[in-house]
Amino acid sequence: EAGVAQSPRYKIIEKRQSVAFWCNPISGHATLYWYQQILGQGPKLLIQFQNNGVVDDSQLPKDRFSAERLKGVDSTLKIQPAKLEDSAVYLCASSLETQQYEQYFGPGTRLTVT
Amino acid sequence: GDSVTQMEGPVTLSEEAFLTINCTYTATGYPSLFWYVQYPGEGLQLLLKATKADDKGSNKGFEATYRKETTSFHLEKGSVQVSDSAVYFCALRRSGYSTLTFGKGTMLLVSP
Repeated sequence: EAGVAQSPRYKIIEKRQSVAFWCNPISGHATLYWYQQILGQGPKLLIQFQNNGVVDDSQLPKDRFSAERLKGVDSTLKIQPAKLEDSAVYLCASSLETQQYEQYFGPGTRLTVT
Repeated sequence: GDSVTQMEGPVTLSEEAFLTINCTYTATGYPSLFWYVQYPGEGLQLLLKATKADDKGSNKGFEATYRKETTSFHLEKGSVQVSDSAVYFCALRRSGYSTLTFGKGTMLLVSP
């Protein structure tokens, strides 16, 4: 089965610009996660969707970050405006449902903000 | 809150050496514990897991035992290969929740 797809793989922008990342989860997976992985740290959850509804966005900096999953399939994460500290790898993961089901991760998008 | 602490890397070993990567955790209740591996340029992959005390997770020659008395989940492998070079993440998931809490990761470098 195809894995979690993400694009672009790499992105370089200047601070105050905007950027968007796309994720297509494994077919049939109801739950989708976005994580931020800063260099030298473990991934940190930004937002979790169950179908097209938000389950947890408590760690999402809502003044600049937004995410949507309109049809309950693919998802977009946006940063506007970007700050230097947003430089990180943004990982998307999906699972069949929640809790006991394994999360499958995509390859990530490496963002560099200059 | 929940937290995971891993030994700092990089861990540098010769092929066929014994590997231990330490992981301890702080969490409420009885979390599930995981080891994920991240190869260069790839996403995280689940390596093994344990869902209750004294469970041993194992996969590809790696194993880890859920020790509630010491709140630990150390990763071990008897004989590492060059292909095991990667970053290893310890993680926990609190019972009843789906969110994973990760450690900072430990880089393993294996030389021939």
